[in-house]
Amino acid sequence: GAVVSQHPSRVICKSGTSVKIECRSLDFQATTMFWYRQFPKQSLMLMATSNEGSKATYEQGVEKDKFLINHASLTLSTLTVTSAHPEDSSFYICSAMAGGGNQPQHFGDGTRLSIL
Amino acid sequence: AQKVTQAQTEISVVEKEDVTLDCVYETRDTTYYLFWYKQPPSGELVFLIRRNSFDEQNEISGRYSWNFQKSTSSFNFTITASQVVDSAVYFCALSAGYSSASKIIFGSGTRLSIRP
Repeated sequence: GAVVSQHPSRVICKSGTSVKIECRSLDFQATTMFWYRQFPKQSLMLMATSNEGSKATYEQGVEKDKFLINHASLTLSTLTVTSAHPEDSSFYICSAMAGGGNQPQHFGDGTRLSIL
Repeated sequence: AQKVTQAQTEISVVEKEDVTLDCVYETRDTTYYLFWYKQPPSGELVFLIRRNSFDEQNEISGRYSWNFQKSTSSFNFTITASQVVDSAVYFCALSAGYSSASKIIFGSGTRLSIRP
C-alpha cells in the first residue's frame, strides 16, 4: 500500500529554534499534502493544505509566517515551525494523496515536537 | 459547515465485551466520505474504513463492523469480543465533496480502554 514517511519522529529543542519536519510519499506522487496538529488528548486539526508547486492554503487561525510550508516536489512537503515556543509543542501529522477524484489520503506516523 | 460529533469521550469495558463507538456527522454536501481511524498510544493513525455517502451497506471486517445510517447521520463502529489490543483512541472523520481529497474533519475522538 501507499507509504508516507515523516521525519523526524520526535524532536526536542530550545525555545526560539526553527524546526523543519519532512513528509515524503515513498511510492506515489502526492499532488496534495495536508498538515495536521494534535495537542495532547485532543483531536487532529487541519493546519494547511499544500499543492505541489503552489502556495499552501492555511486554515483560519494558523499563522502562515509561523508555520512555513513548502511543497516543491511531488514527493516532498516540509513544515517549518519558525522561532518555536513551548506553546508550539504538539504532535504534527502529515497526509498525502495522489491526483484528484476519490483517491484516499495516506497519513505519516507523526512528529512529536517538544519545545523547552 | 461540516462537523463530526463523538459524544463518548471515554469508554472502558472488560475484555470480550462488545462495544459500540458512536459518530454523528453534519454536512450539506450530498457527496461525502466517512472514515474511522485508530490511534494507539504510539501516535500513528491507523486507517480502518472509508465509506462514501452513496454506499449505505453495513460492513463487517473480522471483529469490526460499521453501521451507516443516513437517516440519522450516523456512522457507528462496533467491536465484537473486544481485546486489550483494541485499547486506543478512535476517531470518526468526514470529508465532504466529490473528492476525498477534500480536507478531513475529525471528531474529538473516543478513548477506548479494554480491561483484562
